[in-house]
Amino acid sequence: GIQVEQSPPDLILQEGANSTLRCNFSDSVNNLQWFHQNPWGQLINLFYIPSGTKQNGRLSATTVATERYSLLYISSSQTTDSGVYFCAVEHAGANNLFFGTGTRLTVIP
Amino acid sequence: ETGVTQTPRHLVMGMTNKKSLKCEQHLGHNAMYWYKQSAKKPLELMFVYNFKEQTENNSVPSRFSPECPNSSHLFLHLHTLQPEDSALYLCASSQDSFRGGTEAFFGQGTRLTVV
Repeated sequence: GIQVEQSPPDLILQEGANSTLRCNFSDSVNNLQWFHQNPWGQLINLFYIPSGTKQNGRLSATTVATERYSLLYISSSQTTDSGVYFCAVEHAGANNLFFGTGTRLTVIP
Repeated sequence: ETGVTQTPRHLVMGMTNKKSLKCEQHLGHNAMYWYKQSAKKPLELMFVYNFKEQTENNSVPSRFSPECPNSSHLFLHLHTLQPEDSALYLCASSQDSFRGGTEAFFGQGTRLTVV
């Protein structure tokens, strides 16, 4: 099956700092999503981004499908950004979203 | 609020109990899913329903029994579970199956503890 690797596994930031999270995948994909899992377990949709670049406030994402990676940028981080960020991909024909192991972000005041 | 609601949020059950998890989506989607999230492991797909028909069963033990009475509701019936089944169970929905390239929305999850 497809491999989805996220880096770094853990990240600690001072409030106000910027960060880049990376998602590498081992094969072509039709679908890529970024999620934020809050401390209560809820998965919040951040971006649906199989290719190209999108921005939403302090967050933006870029997927370069031909090179099999996606990046999530967080600018001016806030304590409420803490949690686990997941990348998930749909591998052609699998009818499944394959999740990476996540990046655990902690933003300290 | 993602438009996908799961109940209960927390459940503690004995190994001989029978319980059910409920998921409801208000998005008009045609596909619904159950995922399992265990500690230290990536989310794992359990079941897929498309237009109320089960299209995927990811080698899930028979002590987990899904039911999809209509496109808006999905249940996961649990019986004679094991302690290793303790996990966060997440329901998701999407407009169409993932093969078509569609965005998924998740519920808040049910945190299950088997004692």
